[in-house]
Amino acid sequence: DTAVSQTPKYLVTQMGNDKSIKCEQNLGHDTMYWYKQDSKKFLKIMFSYNNKELIINETVPNRFSPKSPDKAHLNLHINSLELGDSAVYFCASSQDEVAGAWAQYFGPGTRLLVL
Amino acid sequence: SQQGEEDPQALSIQEGENATMNCSYKTSINNLQWYRQNSGRGLVHLILIRSNEREKHSGRLRVTLDTSKKSSSLLITASRAADTASYFCATNNNDMRFGAGTRLTVKP
Repeated sequence: DTAVSQTPKYLVTQMGNDKSIKCEQNLGHDTMYWYKQDSKKFLKIMFSYNNKELIINETVPNRFSPKSPDKAHLNLHINSLELGDSAVYFCASSQDEVAGAWAQYFGPGTRLLVL
Repeated sequence: SQQGEEDPQALSIQEGENATMNCSYKTSINNLQWYRQNSGRGLVHLILIRSNEREKHSGRLRVTLDTSKKSSSLLITASRAADTASYFCATNNNDMRFGAGTRLTVKP
């Protein structure tokens, strides 16, 4: 049973394109997150959503926009892709809105390569 | 900015040996979590230790927390080749912040 799933697993695209990454969790969790992991393995939180409200938004360019159609989904849309956007993007979810109070469950990651 | 910092960056041991990884952080926390990441995979939660706890066990894992020194350690006893992975600590204040991880290699 897949708890947190992401699609696509790999994404290769040209600079300037717009792309979306989808995330779904079947755990009934209240909060979902997006993280970016760079080549040095640093994991940085980008967004978190609780009941369709954005509760954390780090210094992320506004080319990145999270979209949550319902509690089980948090999609990441990226406009005008740049070379520096190449990274692995992880979706995660947790039971409660208090970030870090509960364990986070991570998806398998989406490897984005911008050419 | 990163909050937790793991030490060492890389650790290589023989199967059966114990592995100890350390995590230091800078500000006060509500809790600290350890995660494992196998190559090419997502992170898997291992243990959460709250700021009022000093030690926690889960199977072959033992986590300690010293809030006065702002540090935590993860001990894996009787290591196995399958323990080969990167291990991250994550601290919680108002949000979760991860370190860069310790890359553990367990040689069979």
